[in-house]
Formats: sequence, C-alpha cells, structure tokens
Amino acid sequence: AQTVTQSQPEMSVQEAETVTLSCTYDTSESDYYLFWYKQPPSRQMILVIRQEAYKQQNATENRFSVNFQKAAKSFSLKISDSQLGDAAMYFCAGDTDKLIFGTGTRLQVFP
Amino acid sequence: EAGVAQSPRYKIIEKRQSVAFWCNPISGHATLYWYQQILGQGPKLLIQFQNNGVVDDSQLPKDRFSAERLKGVDSTLKIQPAKLEDSAVYLCASSPKTSTGKVVAFFGQGTRLTVV
Repeated sequence: AQTVTQSQPEMSVQEAETVTLSCTYDTSESDYYLFWYKQPPSRQMILVIRQEAYKQQNATENRFSVNFQKAAKSFSLKISDSQLGDAAMYFCAGDTDKLIFGTGTRLQVFP
Repeated sequence: EAGVAQSPRYKIIEKRQSVAFWCNPISGHATLYWYQQILGQGPKLLIQFQNNGVVDDSQLPKDRFSAERLKGVDSTLKIQPAKLEDSAVYLCASSPKTSTGKVVAFFGQGTRLTVV
C-alpha cells in the first residue's frame, strides 16, 4: 500500500519570491516515481516535475525543483521566482503499482 | 500530438438517472486511468486499464459504476443509477507502457458531473 500526504491546504507567496510545498510519500516498495502536478481552474492536470526514487540527484525543471529525502519519506517542491501564473492547486502523486494523489495545496501568488 | 480527449465537458442529471463519459487517450498509450475528483479533494483512482484489461478497480463502486475499454483504445465510464454524492469531476488519463511500468500520465480536461 502507498499513501500520499499533503499537510498544507493553502500557501501564499509574493511574486518573485520562493515558496516550498510539502509532501510525504509512504510505501514499502523501493522502486517508484514521485510527481508534482499543477491543476489550474481549467481543471486539467499538468505535470510540473517528476523524480525517480532510485536517483539520488534531485530533479529540476527551470524554476521548479524538488528536495527528495527518501529515508524521511519527504518530497517537497520549491518554486523560485514565483509568477502570477503559478497560482493553482498543486498535487503530489506517487506511483508504485498505481498512480495516487494527495489532497492538494492551493497556492496563491500576490503581486 | 493530440492530447487526451474527454466528452462531455459538463453534465447535469437528476439522481437515479444514468450517465456515460467518454475518453480517447493519446495514440499508442497502453495505460488508461479514470479518476473521480470531488470538489476540494485530490483525484481518487477508480479504475486502471492496461490495453483492454483491468489492472485495478478496487475503488470502483461496482454496484453503480462500470467501465470498459474496447479494443484497448477508447474508454467509457458509466454511472447507473447516479447519486447526489457522485457529483464530481471525472478525469481520464493515459500513459505509455515501458519496461519499468512507471511513466508520466497525461490528463484530459475532465467532465464535471452535477447530480441534482
């Protein structure tokens, strides 16, 4: 069994600042992928970044990066130089044998 | 490359009526997922297909929900009869099959169902 926990229902950040969203992923498997998806009001899930569990190097995609601490079961997303367009729901997801999601964090970006 | 297509975008029905949703995955994608997303919650996996076979349907309420994937391509999800608590967004996603079995899932825009 696997569980994904997001403990921050809402976060806010000022434009151009940095914000970190938290996620905990628990599984007994050693081989899995972790993802962060963004869901704007249009409802379409958009992949932000992914991390393979066997890789020690943290993934980076432009302004988005993750801090994956496997032993601590922690998988946080850092958004640098926040932009107004980053405002959305962010879902952490994990995939061992099936893709499951956390409850989401609503990110607000203030000018 | 065309994305995952879903229809309809919106549907309003009365309780006890039936409804069906359609999904056309990205061409060549072997895996297809249906998720239910209730307002304010994360998506919950209802069913996962690999080609036209069911991989996981442990959270599908089988007394009222059914899904099929004919010829391993398009898929339909049906609710019969609908209840008020079925009001949600139904998301379809697809992913290609690889040797590791774990790849990125691409999502459609979803169908918002309102049961009144």
